[in-house]
Formats: sequence, C-alpha cells, structure tokens
Amino acid sequence: AQTVTQSQPEMSVQEAETVTLSCTYDTSESNYYLFWYKQPPSRQMILVIRQEAYKQQNATENRFSVNFQKAAKSFSLKISDSQLGDTAMYFCAFRRGGIGNEKLTFGTGTRLTIIP
Amino acid sequence: SQTIHQWPATLVQPVGSPLSLECTVEGTSNPNLYWYRQAAGRGLQLLFYSVGIGQISSEVPQNLSASRPQDRQFILSSKKLLLSDSGFYLCAWSVTGGGDNSPLHFGNGTRLTVT
Repeated sequence: AQTVTQSQPEMSVQEAETVTLSCTYDTSESNYYLFWYKQPPSRQMILVIRQEAYKQQNATENRFSVNFQKAAKSFSLKISDSQLGDTAMYFCAFRRGGIGNEKLTFGTGTRLTIIP
Repeated sequence: SQTIHQWPATLVQPVGSPLSLECTVEGTSNPNLYWYRQAAGRGLQLLFYSVGIGQISSEVPQNLSASRPQDRQFILSSKKLLLSDSGFYLCAWSVTGGGDNSPLHFGNGTRLTVT
C-alpha cells in the first residue's frame, strides 16, 4: 500500500516570500503520478500541480513548482511570490499508474498562512 | 464544461438516523466517481469509488454504503449514523481512461455533524 507523509502540519510566511511545503511518499511502484491540491477556507479542493514519475523535469505552473526527487521519494511544492490568496490547506497526493488506478492517496495536509 | 454538484452543503443529524448524500456530474459520460471523507486534522480518506453504474468498491469497512443508480449520480448512505461519522464528505469524479495523470475534480463538500 502507498503512503503519503506531510510532516509540516502548519506553516506561515510573509506575503511575497517563497515557501516550500514538504511531501514524501512510499511505494514499490515504478509508474505513478503525484499531485498537489489546495483547499482554501471555502473547502473547495483545487488542483495546483501534477507530476508524472517518468518525467525528470520538474512541473511548473506559474508561481507554483515542484522539486521531484524520485530516488528519495520526495515531492515538495514551492510557492514563489506568495499571495494572500494562497492561504489554504495543501494536500499532497499519490496515484498509481495505469488505467483504472485513478484513486488518489492523500497526505494529512499542511495549513499554510500568508501573512500580510 | 463539466460540473459536479453535491448536496446538502451542511447537515446535522442525530445518532441512529439515516443518511443520504447525493452527488451528480454534468458534462461528461461514464465518469469514475469517488466519495472521500475528511476528518479534522486528517487527510482525505477514500470511502468508495465507482467505475460504472452499479459498480461500487469499498475501501474502508464501516456503516456507510454507496450506490450509483445512474451514470452520473453517486449516493452515500447510512441506515444508522454513528458519532464517528461526523466529518466533511467530498464527492469527486475523474475521466475514465482520461490518461494516467487525469486528476480528480471535487465537489464543494458536505459538512456532516452527528449529534
């Protein structure tokens, strides 16, 4: 079974600064996918970024980027130029590869607060 | 475009009462459907998923059940609620065969409080 660990229950950072959220996972699979979801106070789950394990290049979406270290089974999220709207719970998630394996396994989340 | 509707948004039910949460998806056919529960201080726990009408897989033994009477309708039920059933319930869908990196798309959730 796969497990996802987020070791930082809470973090805070000043607006406009850069923050990195940690995520590690455990799996014996070689083909898998990793995701970061954001859950603002509205509780809506929003996909932030995704990474295919077979790709060496780190995914980037505007101010959001990941540092994917496959050998270390690490998948951290970096938020640059943080904004007040980035305040949310952030969840790391894992999915096995292959059709029919769309279930996601989530970490326990990191509560991020952006301080004005 | 695809949309997912989940209701009610909030629900307060006494212990021992029945439960029915409903989720519908629009704008797509034959989606994979999921029910997750989010307890305070914990991540999202997958309860049920469905790859087609009448096909339900349970991930966690419990007093909850799920049904998929129509292609884009997913229902979470209980005959008798327990206090431990309190939590935030999220319905989600994904594209069947949509590619290995197809994400889950979530509804707005239901806050259930069992008193």
